[in-house]
Amino acid sequence: GAVVSQHPSWVICKSGTSVKIECRSLDFQATTMFWYRQFPKQSLMLMATSNEGSKATYEQGVEKDKFLINHASLTLSTLTVTSAHPEDSSFYICSARSGDRYEQYFGPGTRLTVT
Amino acid sequence: LAKTTQPISMDSYEGQEVNITCSHNNIATNDYITWYQQFPSQGPRFIIQGYKTKVTNEVASLFIPADRKSSTLSLPRVSLSDTAVYYCLVGDDTDKLIFGTGTRLQVFP
Repeated sequence: GAVVSQHPSWVICKSGTSVKIECRSLDFQATTMFWYRQFPKQSLMLMATSNEGSKATYEQGVEKDKFLINHASLTLSTLTVTSAHPEDSSFYICSARSGDRYEQYFGPGTRLTVT
Repeated sequence: LAKTTQPISMDSYEGQEVNITCSHNNIATNDYITWYQQFPSQGPRFIIQGYKTKVTNEVASLFIPADRKSSTLSLPRVSLSDTAVYYCLVGDDTDKLIFGTGTRLQVFP
């Protein structure tokens, strides 16, 4: 149990376009979802926290107008990278947590490459 | 959130026991200690969680001394497939997880 999926697993887009990444909790209701990004050989960096039905809370230094997060249901959160640039190329990982559990379950990640 | 400190890297050989220690001097009363494993280009995978003393599951053991200012993840008889980055995190059930640098474990034949 406790499976989190992400779609797509990898995506290549042109500079200036927008890309949407989906994160789904497949067998539990995720009251809270988190988005991270990870550059090569580095640790995960938390970007934002989203609670179902509420606006996301962004970490310092993360542009909320560039990284749009929507958590419209208890099983789905989306991250949209708007007007992507090559420096946005990274590995994006989501995680989900149900209201009564401390443990976070991580998705497999999405590799974004902006050309 | 309590800050954690781990060794940047460790090397081992197949069949050996590996112990990775994490320091968390400012751990709060409500904080749990959780370890994750991450392979390249994959999301982190939960290994083990504990609050105090010793916790054991099918893949690892977690030792936590009485003062809880540190913890040790023990991997028995590692194999090549245990080569990964291991992260130690502390927090309670309301906390977001802040990842430190992690420990890069390399297992050699």
